[in-house]
Amino acid sequence: QVQLQESGPGLVKPSETLSLTCTVSGGSISSYYWSWIRQPAGKGLEWIGRIYTSGSTNYNPSLKSRVTMSVDTSKNQFSLKLSSVTAADTAVYYCARGDTVTTAIDYWGQGTLVTVSS
Amino acid sequence: SYELTQPPSVSVSPGQTARITCSGDALPKQYAYWYQQKPGQAPVLVIYKDSERPSGIPERFSGSSSGTTVTLTISGVQAEDEADYYCQSADSSGTYEVFGGGTKLTVL
Repeated sequence: QVQLQESGPGLVKPSETLSLTCTVSGGSISSYYWSWIRQPAGKGLEWIGRIYTSGSTNYNPSLKSRVTMSVDTSKNQFSLKLSSVTAADTAVYYCARGDTVTTAIDYWGQGTLVTVSS
Repeated sequence: SYELTQPPSVSVSPGQTARITCSGDALPKQYAYWYQQKPGQAPVLVIYKDSERPSGIPERFSGSSSGTTVTLTISGVQAEDEADYYCQSADSSGTYEVFGGGTKLTVL
C-alpha cells in the first residue's frame, strides 16, 4: 500500500520560504506524477502544482512566481518550496500521487499544517 | 483564471439520491474527478475520468458529464456519506489543475 508522508517546519516567518518534503513508501516514485495541494482552515482545496519524475513541472498560475518543486527518485521523495510567504499561505499542505493511466490523484498524504507567523 | 463552480451545500434524507454539480467551460474537453473529504481527513478519490469508480468505492457513487457540467450522483445516500465533495479538472490546455469550491453534503 502506497503511503505518503509530509515533513517540514510547522511554523514559518513572513517573507521567508516554506519548505516541505514528501516521502513515498510502499511503491516506486517512478511512472507517476506528484502533486502538492493545500487547504486553509475551513476552506476549499487549492492545487499548487505537480512534478513528473522527469523533472517537468506545472504550477498554479497564481502561485507560479513563488513555487519550486523538485524530485529525488533515489530517495523516493519530492519537495515543495514556496517563497515570500504571508499569512495567506497558512494552510494544511497535502502531498499526493497522480496516476498517469487514470490521470487521477489517487493517494494523498495525511497533510501537514504550516502556519505563517512571526 | 479558470474556475469550477459547485453549489455550497446539498441536503438529502437517508435513502434518497444526492446530485452534486460542477460547472466549468473546459469540462467538455477535460476529464473531471470527484473527491470526498470528511472532517480532519485527507480527500478520497470517488470518481475519475468523469464516470469511472475506483476499486473500493461503493456502487452508489456514480458520475456523469453533459456539456460544461459534470454531476456526482450518490444513490441511496447513507449517513456515512455526509462530507465535503470537491470536483477537480484541468484548464482547456491541460496545463494546470483546478478544484471546485466544494459542496457540503448533509444527510438529514
